[in-house]
Amino acid sequence: DQQVKQNSPSLSVQEGRISILNCDYTNSMFDYFLWYKKYPAEGPTFLISISSIKDKNEDGRFTVFLNKSAKHLSLHIVPSQPGDSAVYFCAASLAGGTSYGKLTFGQGTILTVHP
Amino acid sequence: GAGVSQSPSNKVTEKGKDVELRCDPISGHTALYWYRQSLGQGLEFLIYFQGNSAPDKSGLPSDRFSAERTGGSVSTLTIQRTQQEDSAVYLCASSLSEQFFGPGTRLTVL
Repeated sequence: DQQVKQNSPSLSVQEGRISILNCDYTNSMFDYFLWYKKYPAEGPTFLISISSIKDKNEDGRFTVFLNKSAKHLSLHIVPSQPGDSAVYFCAASLAGGTSYGKLTFGQGTILTVHP
Repeated sequence: GAGVSQSPSNKVTEKGKDVELRCDPISGHTALYWYRQSLGQGLEFLIYFQGNSAPDKSGLPSDRFSAERTGGSVSTLTIQRTQQEDSAVYLCASSLSEQFFGPGTRLTVL
């Protein structure tokens, strides 16, 4: 039972353009959502998060949008840079935040940004 | 060091052997988590520690898997009688808020 799904295994984008990574979830009880970035042979690195009481959170080039009615979130990267090439995981939490409780992860999307 | 560290980085073992994986969390982080990532899959939760106790062990796939944490710091994940399906990257994370991950241990069971 995959509660968090990233249906696009890969995405290819030109440098300077927008990258949009999508994530869907099925459990309406999830109340906190996160995006992690992972380079080969390294652990995932926290990127940005959003609470279920918000619909948008922005940090520099990264913006996360949450549509609770559609159970959908997306990560926008503008402008995309070659160094953004990595695997991106979305994750969800039931615990009212990230401190106490497990994260449920999607399968990941491989982003490639071409110079 | 400043980050989460894990050892060994790679472990190759024969089916049926026991293995022990170690995680050193960031100093002061009270919460510690183990996940694993099998080939082509997302990260799968295994167990969560708050201090030395484990309020959530729901992700451990079988009784061959166990974990402990001592002194509110180092944690070990033990897999007994390893099977080929145990092959995966085992990741540890610690947190005060967002979870910070170590580089993982790549386990290969032949």
